[in-house]
Amino acid sequence: AQKVTQAQTEISVVEKEDVTLDCVYETRDTTYYLFWYKQPPSGELVFLIRRNSFDEQNEISGRYSWNFQKSTSSFNFTITASQVVDSAVYFCALTAGANSKLTFGKGITLSVRP
Amino acid sequence: KAGVTQTPRYLIKTRGQQVTLSCSPISGHRSVSWYQQTPGQGLQFLFEYFSETQRNKGNFPGRFSGRQFSNSRSEMNVSTLELGDSALYLCASSPRAFQETQYFGPGTRLLVL
Repeated sequence: AQKVTQAQTEISVVEKEDVTLDCVYETRDTTYYLFWYKQPPSGELVFLIRRNSFDEQNEISGRYSWNFQKSTSSFNFTITASQVVDSAVYFCALTAGANSKLTFGKGITLSVRP
Repeated sequence: KAGVTQTPRYLIKTRGQQVTLSCSPISGHRSVSWYQQTPGQGLQFLFEYFSETQRNKGNFPGRFSGRQFSNSRSEMNVSTLELGDSALYLCASSPRAFQETQYFGPGTRLLVL
């Protein structure tokens, strides 16, 4: 069985601060994919990033970066120089094995104050 | 390319009724998955369809069912509605199968009175 834990529930920052969202996952499969999605108040889940279990290279994409560490089963997501438009609920998700089912964490509510 | 579309966007029903929700995937996508989102349980997987076949099913009662058509459009049906079925129902599509990125629609907000 898969499990995703997002220990942080709510984070509040002031605009231009950097913020890191934590995610810890559990799976027995050796092949798996990790995702981050953003859910603004409108409700639609917006895909942000995807990483597979064989690639631990961490990357930066614009203001987003992520830190994938298999040794600690963590897949943390950082927003640099946060903006008010970044205010949303952020979900970490996992899919593993021959399966398309996404297992989501409980989500982190990020509030960016001007 | 147009994104995933879901209709209706909002729905109000009463207990005991049934409801059908519709999802049109991104053009060319053949896999459609459905998720239920509630404040208490979060995002939970309902089922996934690929090439008109249900490939995977979550832990929901038989009142929840779905189907996929030859054009990859999908519908889900909930019969004998209960108050606890009030939720945001999200549909997602992906090109093929297995660990591909799923792209979500705006959801259907169902309120059961």
